[in-house]
Amino acid sequence: GQQLNQSPQSMFIQEGEDVSMNCTSSSIFNTWLWYKQDPGEGPVLLIALYKAGELTSNGRLTAQFGITRKDSFLNISASIPSDVGIYFCAGQRRYGGSQGNLIFGKGTKLSVKP
Amino acid sequence: KAGVTQTPRYLIKTRGQQVTLSCSPISGHRSVSWYQQTPGQGLQFLFEYFSETQRNKGNFPGRFSGRQFSNSRSEMNVSTLELGDSALYLCASSPGLAGGDTQYFGPGTRLTVL
Repeated sequence: GQQLNQSPQSMFIQEGEDVSMNCTSSSIFNTWLWYKQDPGEGPVLLIALYKAGELTSNGRLTAQFGITRKDSFLNISASIPSDVGIYFCAGQRRYGGSQGNLIFGKGTKLSVKP
Repeated sequence: KAGVTQTPRYLIKTRGQQVTLSCSPISGHRSVSWYQQTPGQGLQFLFEYFSETQRNKGNFPGRFSGRQFSNSRSEMNVSTLELGDSALYLCASSPGLAGGDTQYFGPGTRLTVL
């Protein structure tokens, strides 16, 4: 099935560092979402973006909905150990009577620098 | 408000068997979607239900089916299990219609097919 291009695939962080990840698509989406998934759990919603150009923050997290509606980025400022996990972007496109299924990126795995 | 609940959390089956997974959405949510997560394919959309009707379906074989009850609870069924069906099955609920379509995930059911 269709998937979004999410990068980087993995990254190592040191406490206090800022982190950036992004997602691109060849298709337009109505909504962009960012989720975090911990081992053995389901994805937890971090930020939802509903309008092109929208910039939204949730604590140390900031995400933007690209103007072209084909991309989004997520920034984490001053990272802490509990930020470790897998981050997924997801695009959603409503059509007909359906709310539109989520199309996911492959995830960005955040680990602590050894 | 309680989150999305899924039962069972873990399941082991053998090839050829069938399995039923259950999902209870967040109270007041009327839309339920199902996703399959595997290391190779990532998160893939299975189907979406709203008011007991399937509104959208992903690209999976007919062995995968689902239904939704009048209380919005949903079940998915996989018949004639194959080894490749081993995955984390995630259910997501959203208010639906005017209530919005941002999806919130449950913890998932880990299915292992031997």
